[in-house]
Amino acid sequence: DAKTTQPPSMDCAEGRAANLPCNHSTISGNEYVYWYRQIHSQGPQYIIHGLKNNETNEMASLIITEDRKSSTLILPHATLRDTAVYYCIVRPNSGYALNFGKGTSLLVTP
Amino acid sequence: DTEVTQTPKHLVMGMTNKKSLKCEQHMGHRAMYWYKQKAKKPPELMFVYSYEKLSINESVPSRFSPECPNSSLLNLHLHALQPEDSALYLCASSQVGQGNRPQHFGDGTRLSIL
Repeated sequence: DAKTTQPPSMDCAEGRAANLPCNHSTISGNEYVYWYRQIHSQGPQYIIHGLKNNETNEMASLIITEDRKSSTLILPHATLRDTAVYYCIVRPNSGYALNFGKGTSLLVTP
Repeated sequence: DTEVTQTPKHLVMGMTNKKSLKCEQHMGHRAMYWYKQKAKKPPELMFVYSYEKLSINESVPSRFSPECPNSSLLNLHLHALQPEDSALYLCASSQVGQGNRPQHFGDGTRLSIL
């Protein structure tokens, strides 16, 4: 499976957009980009996933570069409840496992 | 609240005890998973069940014994655990099929081995 690289930590002011980057330069054509987050003392929460096109749902937007080597998760208006560890995961089309990396610890401040 | 329910939320057991963790989902998912998460580490896959049959065992010690009695339930039987097995045990479920199937997680059972 392709590896991902994320910054270990980021800060964001409440109400501003949080842009979380992820590098996956070895991604292959049949691998999806998934984003999960884990709030303290809870299980991982699915946010969004995509293959080639940008995706948007009620939680976030996922921007994937044209060469698919990197992506950005955008939380448009961060709140304090968005403070969590965010995991970017590359998952093969035929695979079951989610191989979590170290993630980015996002702190949203008042 | 999640759609995957895990019980108990907390469990303390001695090394000679036998206990079971339970996971239940009613989303019609036919793939179910156990993950283990140590403190300040990411979750790691332990087992995968597909259509109630074990399809992946990530070289987990035999003191962990999974069971999938039906399409909604997943158990993890524990026996003779070691202190290093203390961790958060997470259950997840998804539709079977290709990688375009998100996994949905419960909030886990926090296990402490004395």
